[in-house]
Amino acid sequence: AQSVTQLDSHVSVSEGTPVLLRCNYSSSYSPSLFWYVQHPNKGLQLLLKYTSAATLVKGINGFEAEFKKSETSFHLTKPSAHMSDAAEYFCVVSDFFGNEKLTFGTGTRLTIIP
Amino acid sequence: EAGVTQSPTHLIKTRGQQATLRCSPISGHTSVYWYQQALGLGLQFLLWYDEGEERNRGNFPPRFSGRQFPNYSSELNVNALELEDSALYLCASRKPGATDTQYFGPGTRLTVL
Repeated sequence: AQSVTQLDSHVSVSEGTPVLLRCNYSSSYSPSLFWYVQHPNKGLQLLLKYTSAATLVKGINGFEAEFKKSETSFHLTKPSAHMSDAAEYFCVVSDFFGNEKLTFGTGTRLTIIP
Repeated sequence: EAGVTQSPTHLIKTRGQQATLRCSPISGHTSVYWYQQALGLGLQFLLWYDEGEERNRGNFPPRFSGRQFPNYSSELNVNALELEDSALYLCASRKPGATDTQYFGPGTRLTVL
């Protein structure tokens, strides 16, 4: 069985400061891990994905995430927050083959303070 | 390249009625997935279709069903609607391949009164 735990349901940062959204995973296999973003009343947009290549993954809009097997973590970071980053972020795990269901974390709402 | 499209955008039904939601995958994608995003319950996997066959389903009652057509588009049917079926229903598609990504549509907001 696989699962993800997003450690913070809500994160607030000031514009221009770093963003850290935390995610821990559990998987019986070598996992594929994703971060998706959902802006209000919108669908899900893929930010980045890890599929056993480089452990530091760069995504869109300046986001990146580091896969740490020893800590079973896949935290999402961005050096400098922008107002447009305000949204809900989901950490997601899939099995190695990626052809089954995605298992979503409960989400982290990111608020940017002007 | 066009993304995943879903229709309708919003759907309002009353208890006991049936709802039909539609999804068109990205061109070249053969797998379609359905997810439910209900308030307080998060995103839950509903159904997976590939090459016209249902491959997997989540923990939902049989009144949630669907199908995939030869052009790979898909339909989700919800019979005997209940108030708790009110949710955003998201469709995703994936191209053939072992580790590829699911791309999501904008969703259909279903409201059951």
